[in-house]
Amino acid sequence: AQSVTQLGSHVSVSEGALVLLRCNYSSSVPPYLFWYVQYPNQGLQLLLKYTTGATLVKGINGFEAEFKKSETSFHLTKPSAHMSDAAEYFCAVSDRGTGGFKTIFGAGTRLFVKA
Amino acid sequence: EAQVTQNPRYLITVTGKKLTVTCSQNMNHEYMSWYRQDPGLGLRQIYYSMNVEVTDKGDVPEGYKVSRKEKRNFPLILESPSPNQTSLYFCASSLRRAGAQGTDTQYFGPGTRLTVL
Repeated sequence: AQSVTQLGSHVSVSEGALVLLRCNYSSSVPPYLFWYVQYPNQGLQLLLKYTTGATLVKGINGFEAEFKKSETSFHLTKPSAHMSDAAEYFCAVSDRGTGGFKTIFGAGTRLFVKA
Repeated sequence: EAQVTQNPRYLITVTGKKLTVTCSQNMNHEYMSWYRQDPGLGLRQIYYSMNVEVTDKGDVPEGYKVSRKEKRNFPLILESPSPNQTSLYFCASSLRRAGAQGTDTQYFGPGTRLTVL
């Protein structure tokens, strides 16, 4: 069965510092991979996704993620944190083998950005 | 404006009183899904629908029902709510073009916060 693990329920960085949010998945077949962001009292918004092709994926707001099959990871990074990046981030996988209709989310990582 | 709407946004009810949370999308999306969000657990999929009259269970379907009689609507029904169904619920939709299989972006509604006393 697929699973998604996000290391660290809370991450705190200083404004201007590197953001690194970790995501590892467990799947017999490399799945489709997503990162979503949730701002307070809002629904989720897609940041980026990996489906096929280039393993380094660029998303909105300066975020990017790299799919590493050997490490079963899809870590999210941003070179320089901004106060507006404070939110909760969810990694998700969608099973490729059965048509991608089921989506599994990680538990989420709340990002705090210090001035 | 392309959007997914949910109603109500907030609901407090009592154990056993049937309720329906509506979800509607105006993007002509084929795929719709319901999730519940609980602290420390992320989002868990309740049910999804690949098209009209086609639905399937997600990971936590117990205590919930859904129907998909029209493409734009995907209501979530709690026949006999219990306190363990207190949660934040999200509806989502995506295009799910034939052959795309899971690659299309899901668009989420604003959420419905349900409290069952």
